[in-house]
Amino acid sequence: DIQMTQSPSPQSAAVGDRVTITCRASQGISNYLAWYQQKPGNPPKLLIYAASTLQVGVPSRFSGSGSGTDFTLTISSLQPEDVATYYCQKYNSAPWTFGQGTKVEI
Amino acid sequence: QVQLQQWGAGLLRPSETLSLTCAVYGESFSGYYWTWIRQAPGKGPEWIGEIHHSGSTKYNPSLKSRVTMLRDTSKNHFSMRLTSVTAADTAVYYCARGRPASGGVAPFDYWGQGTLVTVSS
Repeated sequence: DIQMTQSPSPQSAAVGDRVTITCRASQGISNYLAWYQQKPGNPPKLLIYAASTLQVGVPSRFSGSGSGTDFTLTISSLQPEDVATYYCQKYNSAPWTFGQGTKVEI
Repeated sequence: QVQLQQWGAGLLRPSETLSLTCAVYGESFSGYYWTWIRQAPGKGPEWIGEIHHSGSTKYNPSLKSRVTMLRDTSKNHFSMRLTSVTAADTAVYYCARGRPASGGVAPFDYWGQGTLVTVSS
């Protein structure tokens, strides 16, 4: 099975900072990569799919890039409401696998 | 608007069977695969399996021997059973909308509220 490995947790940053989270797949997955945001007590929320397409309603300060095995989620200007844990997930084929998560703190 | 509402027992003893049900509102049940995902404390989500409106299923190989998924298309419900639970099965369990039933792949865009299932003697 393909494994998804994310950048270390937690990541601490100040309000207004640029934050970058990385995700690496153990095998190539083209652009079948999604990013989720999860706040305590809530299910994950889909932010980005197809590696770089923003889900409807997601603020434009979020962006994604990458293809193949290496992917990046960027928050261009961190806001207090962005404090959360972020997960990547590959969906090119089953089993659909998530990363271990990266917690973003202020 | 798509809504998923789930329910089931939250406290089990080792060796018992976990049983959860999810109701789908505001969406055609036959249009998608419907999935179960769990998340152990402090861990990333883990896909458990999916069910098509036809009843066909696909399970995570790590759980395949213990999991069964069913659907009731008349009620727009789907359910899962996990047998012989242990403390390692303690997690929040979510139902979610998966990929289109006609084929292709997609991420999980709608989720249920989650059910905390604790396995303890």
